[in-house]
Amino acid sequence: ILNVEQSPQSLHVQEGDSTNFTCSFPSSNFYALHWYRWETAKSPEALFVMTLNGDEKKKGRISATLNTKEGYSYLYIKGSQPEDSATYLCAFKETSGSRLTFGEGTQLTVNP
Amino acid sequence: GAVVSQHPSWVICKSGTSVKIECRSLDFQATTMFWYRQFPKQSLMLMATSNEGSKATYEQGVEKDKFLINHASLTLSTLTVTSAHPEDSSFYICSARGTVLDYEQYFGPGTRLTVT
Repeated sequence: ILNVEQSPQSLHVQEGDSTNFTCSFPSSNFYALHWYRWETAKSPEALFVMTLNGDEKKKGRISATLNTKEGYSYLYIKGSQPEDSATYLCAFKETSGSRLTFGEGTQLTVNP
Repeated sequence: GAVVSQHPSWVICKSGTSVKIECRSLDFQATTMFWYRQFPKQSLMLMATSNEGSKATYEQGVEKDKFLINHASLTLSTLTVTSAHPEDSSFYICSARGTVLDYEQYFGPGTRLTVT
C-alpha cells in the first residue's frame, strides 16, 4: 500500500496571507503527482500534473514545486482569498498504468 | 476543461434495496472511468476501473457482485450498489480519462449514499 500524506490536515488563514502545504509520497518509483482543488458540493478540479523532478508550475496565485528524489511536493497560495477556501488533494501515480493514490487532503479556510 | 456529471447527487435508500449511480462525460469520450469511495475523514479510495466495453477491474477487498459496474459507452458508466446495507453508506465519486491525454482524470461531483 502506497503512503501519500498531506499536511497540515486543516488550515485557517486570513485574507491576504500567503500559505503553503505539503504532500509527501514514496520516492522509489515516480510517474506523476497531481494536485486537485475540491470545493464543497463541486467536482475536484485539476490544478497541476507534475512529472519531472524540480518541476515548478504556476496558475495565477497558486504554484507548486516537486522533489521526486526526496518524495515531496509543496503547494503555495499567494495572497489567499476567501474563494480559495477548499480542500486541496494530492494524488501520486507510481507508473503510467497504475492507479492514483490520494492523500487525505488539506482543508483550507480563508477568513475575510 | 472537461466536464463529468454524476447522478444522483445524494440518495437515501432502505437496507436491502439496490441503488444505481450514473457517471457521464459530457464533452469528451472516456475510454476509462474510475469509481472511488470516500469515508469521513479519509482519502479517496479506488474501488474499480472500467474500460468501455470490458469488464471492470476491481481493487482488492471490493466485492464485484455487490458493486456492479457497467461501462457500455464512451460517455456513460454506472455503479449499482446491490442489496445495500448501512455500512455501504458513503460518498461515491467517479472520474473519467479521455482517449488522448493519459495524465488527466476529470471528476464528477460525487454521490452521497445513505442506507437506512
